[in-house]
Amino acid sequence: EDKVVQSPLSLVVHEGDTVTLNCSYEVTNFRSLLWYKQEKKAPTFLFMLTSSGIEKKSGRLSSILDKKELSSILNITATQTGDSAIYLCAVEAPPNDYKLSFGAGTTVTVRA
Amino acid sequence: GAGVSQSPSNKVTEKGKDVELRCDPISGHTALYWYRQSLGQGLEFLIYFQGNSAPDKSGLPSDRFSAERTGGSVSTLTIQRTQQEDSAVYLCASSLAPGQGKPQHFGDGTRLSIL
Repeated sequence: EDKVVQSPLSLVVHEGDTVTLNCSYEVTNFRSLLWYKQEKKAPTFLFMLTSSGIEKKSGRLSSILDKKELSSILNITATQTGDSAIYLCAVEAPPNDYKLSFGAGTTVTVRA
Repeated sequence: GAGVSQSPSNKVTEKGKDVELRCDPISGHTALYWYRQSLGQGLEFLIYFQGNSAPDKSGLPSDRFSAERTGGSVSTLTIQRTQQEDSAVYLCASSLAPGQGKPQHFGDGTRLSIL
């Protein structure tokens, strides 16, 4: 069974800090890894990573995939209170790659 | 609308009642998914629809759960004889066909509470 583990489970930082979130996976096959941000309601898509070593970046958020280590990190620099959310990692693994396998998430709290 | 729309946003019902949850996907998305999110847990896959193909129902937790998608668009998830363990947030997502490098986009979910 596909397995996705995120760490830490939760963390609290102050505005301006940098956070690094981890996601490791064990899947039979691998197509892609996705990061989502979930505030009150809908998880919103952040990044999809398919190739190892390529960094995806959007503003203060960036993510990189290490297929050798079967892991990914999500970095948030210069954190703001609006970054407070649950960050979810999910993996697509053929043949049933429509069934995203999700980790339990990391809850990030940014204090002013 | 531009995004995935779900209704109702909240539903409180008594144990043993049936409930019906609705999902309206993004226009043009052929794939539709239902997930369940319980407190402190990751999203759990329930069911997948793709075009006119037979749905993958392998994630449905019991035969009290069923779902249909009419006309390739709107989907309803029905839970019969609800139990307290059914309390969760039910999320719907849609996407272009899987494997095309396009992510799933989620609705706001229906928060279901069984008394």
